[in-house]
Amino acid sequence: DAKTTQPPSMDCAEGRAANLPCNHSTISGNEYVYWYRQIHSQGPQYIIHGLKNNETNEMASLIITEDRKSSTLILPHATLRDTAVYYCIAIMNNNAGNMLTFGGGTRLMVKP
Amino acid sequence: GAVVSQHPSRVICKSGTSVKIECRSLDFQATTMFWYRQFPKKSLMLMATSNEGSKATYEQGVEKDKFLINHASLTLSTLTVTSAHPEDSSFYICSAPTGGARGYTFGSGTRLTVV
Repeated sequence: DAKTTQPPSMDCAEGRAANLPCNHSTISGNEYVYWYRQIHSQGPQYIIHGLKNNETNEMASLIITEDRKSSTLILPHATLRDTAVYYCIAIMNNNAGNMLTFGGGTRLMVKP
Repeated sequence: GAVVSQHPSRVICKSGTSVKIECRSLDFQATTMFWYRQFPKKSLMLMATSNEGSKATYEQGVEKDKFLINHASLTLSTLTVTSAHPEDSSFYICSAPTGGARGYTFGSGTRLTVV
């Protein structure tokens, strides 16, 4: 699976959009980009995933660049409960049962 | 959606004793379960992969005799920390591929403290 690089930490004001970048310059054509987040002392939670197209769900939007070498997770209106560590992971096949390799993630702090 | 139930959520044990952590897939069959360990302010590190009906595979540096994994059914995988020491104190998390669009689902984690 391709290595991903994320900034170690970011701050965001409550109610504003949080834009979390991820670099995956070595991603292969059949690797998906998955985002998970981990709130303190809990297991990671799925947020969103995509292959080539931008995606949106009730939690977030995912913008993937045309060359697929980077992506941005957008939380449109961050709340204090969005404070967590966000992990961007490139996965070969979401049904293959391959292990997830976690990088350092981005620690997002949403401030009042 | 697919849920993995992990128990206990928190356990304190004495040095030298063993602790068993269970992960159950509630509404799907988990042929594979990944076990992670996470130290404070660190990322999740894969310890081992269990497959139903076969021996678990361990990552380099993880002692298989110390961290016993059993995956005897399609809905239950267990991790037993044997002869626990204070340095085994950590947050242990299991994860299973769901076979669905969401990829993987995680247990809620077990905070182990060895005193």
